[in-house]
Amino acid sequence: DTAVSQTPKYLVTQMGNDKSIKCEQNLGHDTMYWYKQDSKKFLKIMFSYNNKELIINETVPNRFSPKSPDKAHLNLHINSLELGDSAVYFCASSHLASGGSTDTQYFGPGTRLTVL
Amino acid sequence: GQQLNQSPQSMFIQEGEDVSMNCTSSSIFNTWLWYKQEPGEGPVLLIALYKAGELTSNGRLTAQFGITRKDSFLNISASIPSDVGIYFCAEFQGAQKLVFGQGTRLTINP
Repeated sequence: DTAVSQTPKYLVTQMGNDKSIKCEQNLGHDTMYWYKQDSKKFLKIMFSYNNKELIINETVPNRFSPKSPDKAHLNLHINSLELGDSAVYFCASSHLASGGSTDTQYFGPGTRLTVL
Repeated sequence: GQQLNQSPQSMFIQEGEDVSMNCTSSSIFNTWLWYKQEPGEGPVLLIALYKAGELTSNGRLTAQFGITRKDSFLNISASIPSDVGIYFCAEFQGAQKLVFGQGTRLTINP
């Protein structure tokens, strides 16, 4: 009965590798997000997708490419991983409310990425 | 984008004490949200505020939307061990972009 799930929970990899993080939500939401939380716990939005369409792209390096195969999934692919990419990545989802605003965002448990 | 200034950054209290934390912004916003993040988990929404002056409670938690629309506070009364975590204020900058404060890390000594 998990609402927003992410895999893997932990990811340890070498610099230069390419990796993907998967996210799925079973809440019937039409909007999904990726956030990055750094070592100081600062939480910052990276991307948002509404009905598989990219809405927000917050000056993230183009090594990061989100992909939404359907409304329930938003995956994050990262090319040529760098040390500074080490962080916890959170997926979230919400409804897009009337007037273009959004309802409560529900967060997944996070994926801790460590780049060596 | 606008930053949210949250204070204090950390708190160390005894079980049973009341807690107060606040968040300020240089801009006016229409919504203030308070989230809690427990270790190894994602943030969870505690309270949402939509009107200046609004005071809302959720159990032992009380939050208020400042009259100037530039600040908000969160109070926790009679703290218990499960209140441990990081508390974040957040605002919408644009329809979907949620911006978070730096967080207040709460530690409770039993």
